This record gives sequence, structure tokens and C-alpha cells, in this order.
Amino acid sequence: GAVVSQHPSWVICKSGTSVKIECRSLDFQATTMFWYRQFPKQSLMLMATSNEGSKATYEQGVEKDKFLINHASLTLSTLTVTSAHPEDSSFYICSAAAGQRSYNEQFFGPGTRLTVL
Amino acid sequence: ILNVEQSPQSLHVQEGDSTNFTCSFPSSNFYALHWYRWETAKSPEALFVMTLNGDEKKKGRISATLNTKEGYSYLYIKGSQPEDSATYLCAHYNTDKLIFGTGTRLQVFP
Repeated sequence: GAVVSQHPSWVICKSGTSVKIECRSLDFQATTMFWYRQFPKQSLMLMATSNEGSKATYEQGVEKDKFLINHASLTLSTLTVTSAHPEDSSFYICSAAAGQRSYNEQFFGPGTRLTVL
Repeated sequence: ILNVEQSPQSLHVQEGDSTNFTCSFPSSNFYALHWYRWETAKSPEALFVMTLNGDEKKKGRISATLNTKEGYSYLYIKGSQPEDSATYLCAHYNTDKLIFGTGTRLQVFP
């Protein structure tokens, strides 16, 4: 199946710093990439959807100025958590789809555990 | 947000046992249901994408059924093996996004 990598797999940072997470589709071109967040004992929650070359669409309650998403190519999307705070500590995971709609099969990365001190 | 519920939350079975778990979702405006298998420290792996009422899909010892009218899907594992130990997630496609359940954590003991 299609492979999606995510880097880093975990990161610890100080409050107020910014953290960038990369999501790459290794063997296919991803028209659409999705960013999810999972808090302990909760389900994966969609944060935003990004299509290559256009602005991301953010879900209600997700601050676009705090979670910057760039989808500059068909194989790379990045999520930057700006001015991170302890409440941003979570598991962030991306997925990629070859089609335009999220009902298409999505291929997930392994996720990034972010801890903000 | 329309919830997706999975049960049980966790399950422990003996190697060789068959098992099944449930995903329930809103039955109105159904479009698709996804099943994923997620092993610890790995990427969730897509098992099935189901779209038609009455659909039944199979991959090796794992199969799934779909009832869109009553809003549920079952995942079955025949003859569980230790390597089947994982969290099984279902996700309902709704208003252009996937809504995930919290998963069923399966542990298979040798």
C-alpha cells in the first residue's frame, strides 16, 4: 500500500517556541492531505484539510494563525504549531489521499507526539 | 458533530478464538464507512472502505459488514492470532470529513 512518513516522531519543546511537523507521501502524489489531533482517550479529530497549492481549510475551533499548514507540493505538507503552549501537547497525525474528497482511502503517517513544557 | 461509537472499548481473547466488534454511526446521509487497523507505534492501516448497504468485505481472516439503514458495521476476525493485536478504528464520512470512533483495542494472547 501507499506509504506516508511523518517527522519527527516525537518532540519536546519549551512553551512559546514553534514546532514544525512534516508529512510526506513517499510513493504517490497526494492531492489532499489531512491533519488530525488526538488527545488521550479521545478519537482522532480532524484539524484541517489541505490541497496542494491552495490554502488549508480549518475545522471549527482550530486557529489557523496558530496551526500553520503549508502544502507546497504533491508529496509534502507541513504543520507548524506556533507559540506552543502546554495545552497544545497532543498526538498529531497526518494522512494523504490521492483523490480530492476525504471519503477516498486515506493513508496515514505514524504520528508525532508533541510535549510542550 | 455526529458521533461514531465503537464497542467494546477493549477486548482480550485467546489465540484461535473468533471475535467481532461494532461500529455505530448516524444513518442519515450515509456516504462511506472506513475501517482501520492501528498497531502501536505504526501508521493506521486501511482495512476497508464500505459504501453500499449490505456490503460485506473480506481481507484474509478479517471481514466486515455494513448496515446503513440502522447505522452499524461489524468487524469480524476469524481465528485470532497474536499479530492481530491492535486498535481497530472505524470512521464515518460526514460533511466532507471522516469522523472517527475511539477504537476497539484488541489483545490476543497466545
